[in-house]
Amino acid sequence: NAGVTQTPKFRILKIGQSMTLQCTQDMNHNYMYWYRQDPGMGLKLIYYSVGAGITDKGEVPNGYNVSRSTTEDFPLRLELAAPSQTSVYFCATCRGTVGTEAFFGQGTRLTVV
Amino acid sequence: AQSVTQLDSHVSVSEGTPVLLRCNYSSSYSPSLFWYVQHPNKGLQLLLKYTSAATLVKGINGFEAEFKKSETSFHLTKPSAHMSDAAEYFCVVSEGRNTGFQKLVFGTGTRLLVSP
Repeated sequence: NAGVTQTPKFRILKIGQSMTLQCTQDMNHNYMYWYRQDPGMGLKLIYYSVGAGITDKGEVPNGYNVSRSTTEDFPLRLELAAPSQTSVYFCATCRGTVGTEAFFGQGTRLTVV
Repeated sequence: AQSVTQLDSHVSVSEGTPVLLRCNYSSSYSPSLFWYVQHPNKGLQLLLKYTSAATLVKGINGFEAEFKKSETSFHLTKPSAHMSDAAEYFCVVSEGRNTGFQKLVFGTGTRLLVSP
């Protein structure tokens, strides 16, 4: 079992470029999340999904989009990269019930210059 | 809304001495609480969780935490630090009791430094 797999691990983007961060899970979890981690700020929720075809905004959704066409995949799209999006991005999954463990990918370190 | 406050951004200990990482929470009902650990350039791993069963929770690698409702605290402890414990630790509260769907709210993290 691979668990939660994120690609790429590192990326440098120029301002205004776009890219997609990939997240795939083989745990058959319905619930998936995207977080960003900035130094001293903990993790902030960008978007989440409760199942295929259903997504919703988290705390900091501006500048991002998501889709969920399958249970396994939950890509995060940056359309017009800005320096404020320089961060480490984590994808996570869980069964969804309150109190259940979340499983995280290894992260994608994105720098926008 | 629920929240957690980690009282120390950095904690430094010597190998073999006790570890205490402090966390206070705010919740309008009995919360689910977690501690996650993040080693450098790695993802997050669950250390332990509290979900309204025993108030003293044991986790992996010798860590434990005690839920104290009267103090709204969920401090993480370990009797004897090891060099491999050096990492960032996050206290996390689970939201979603009204919706049945879990969203995790993270503290700002505590970096644990362990010296020989």
